[in-house]
Amino acid sequence: QKEVEQNSGPLSVPEGAIASLNCTYSDRGSQSFFWYRQYSGKSPELIMSIYSNGDKEDGRFTAQLNKASQYVSLLIRDSQPSDSATYLCAVNPNDYKLSFGAGTTVTVRA
Amino acid sequence: DAGITQSPRHKVTETGTPVTLRCHQTENHRYMYWYRQDPGHGLRLIHYSYGVKDTDKGEVSDGYSVSRSKTEDFLLTLESATSSQTSVYFCAISEPGLAGTDTQYFGPGTRLTVL
Repeated sequence: QKEVEQNSGPLSVPEGAIASLNCTYSDRGSQSFFWYRQYSGKSPELIMSIYSNGDKEDGRFTAQLNKASQYVSLLIRDSQPSDSATYLCAVNPNDYKLSFGAGTTVTVRA
Repeated sequence: DAGITQSPRHKVTETGTPVTLRCHQTENHRYMYWYRQDPGHGLRLIHYSYGVKDTDKGEVSDGYSVSRSKTEDFLLTLESATSSQTSVYFCAISEPGLAGTDTQYFGPGTRLTVL
């Protein structure tokens, strides 16, 4: 079993819709969780971090964490063509190292 | 961009040759990391460093070595490159964050092709 699993996609959503990305992790002791966005041919860019159960909102992005279910998600509201990218879920199973999922590719159709 | 540069940005080499990739940072970060990224695998940790001359292995360290003689430079060496090491290599640094854990930021990447 991989440490971090994401739906591989691709996920296609119409412009203006909500894109929902899911991530599960295996290490129950994980304490911090991150979402990175990666455009084709570019490096990963941090867009959200979350440490406590519940929701965290930043602009059009909302991260949701449920440690009991070992589940973290990312919602992108009012999706724009510029949101078309691969989204990487990362989990910190111990200090200073991250485990990454394989990523979910999102395409926003105009 | 957290002040991270990588060189070279692109390299094509032949099987069996040694290759060294350089990561340079300007903001005195203690922790530095090397990852490789391949389709279907996401980012996988090769080696990381927690200080000058202090390094440790990641999950895919076979065939790779690292060195860190100065805070600002973290070198990744492929002693004898193989085609399976064709990949995109990212360097990252970490900065102190909330909850006692660090947030990682990535350099621009090096695309390595081994023929």
